[in-house]
Amino acid sequence: DAGVTQSPTHLIKTRGQHVTLRCSPISGHKSVSWYQQVLGQGPQFIFQYYEKEERGRGNFPDRFSARQFPNYSSELNVNALLLGDSALYLCASSLDWTPYGYTFGSGTRLTVV
Amino acid sequence: KQEVTQIPAALSVPEGENLVLNCSFTDSAIYNLQWFRQDPGKGLTSLLLIQSSQREQTSGRLNASLDKSSGRSTLYIAASQPGDSATYLCAVGASYGKLTFGQGTILTVHP
Repeated sequence: DAGVTQSPTHLIKTRGQHVTLRCSPISGHKSVSWYQQVLGQGPQFIFQYYEKEERGRGNFPDRFSARQFPNYSSELNVNALLLGDSALYLCASSLDWTPYGYTFGSGTRLTVV
Repeated sequence: KQEVTQIPAALSVPEGENLVLNCSFTDSAIYNLQWFRQDPGKGLTSLLLIQSSQREQTSGRLNASLDKSSGRSTLYIAASQPGDSATYLCAVGASYGKLTFGQGTILTVHP
């Protein structure tokens, strides 16, 4: 059974550009969460989606947005990129909205130059 | 606001040693506490999950304890091996699914 799939694996963008990151959850998982991990720090919560609705939002600016599709896959969008947005973006899927049974993907490494 | 702190930030030990990683959190109203392993540039692998009503969990050479009243958890690794080298992350789970992570402990086990 496939794990959590994230694409692309690596990405280089210029300041001010827009980026879309994608995540496919494990089959049967209806919740997707997004985390940002800056080098040398622990992951920080960005969003959680369950059954296509936003269940939680972390302390991130409105430049960050996300959505979940009917097949439970998800996109994370970041507008007007800043150098400080450079990070590893992790997606995690789980059966429901509770903090159990998280499976993390390998992440997308975003570099903003 | 929940804050999670891990001590030490880095640890280097010879193979075979038993070691303890520490995690503390500021808000005792937690849903669960989880320990993850992260290899360089990779995602997270779940090691142990302790529900808020439990005191400890064990898996092989790993044992994690939880003391909610004092806001502390420890991860004990017995008979460490070079393959245990990684970053270990502690995360506190909130009722609506959010995980709050510590900054991690970088473990190096040398032969």
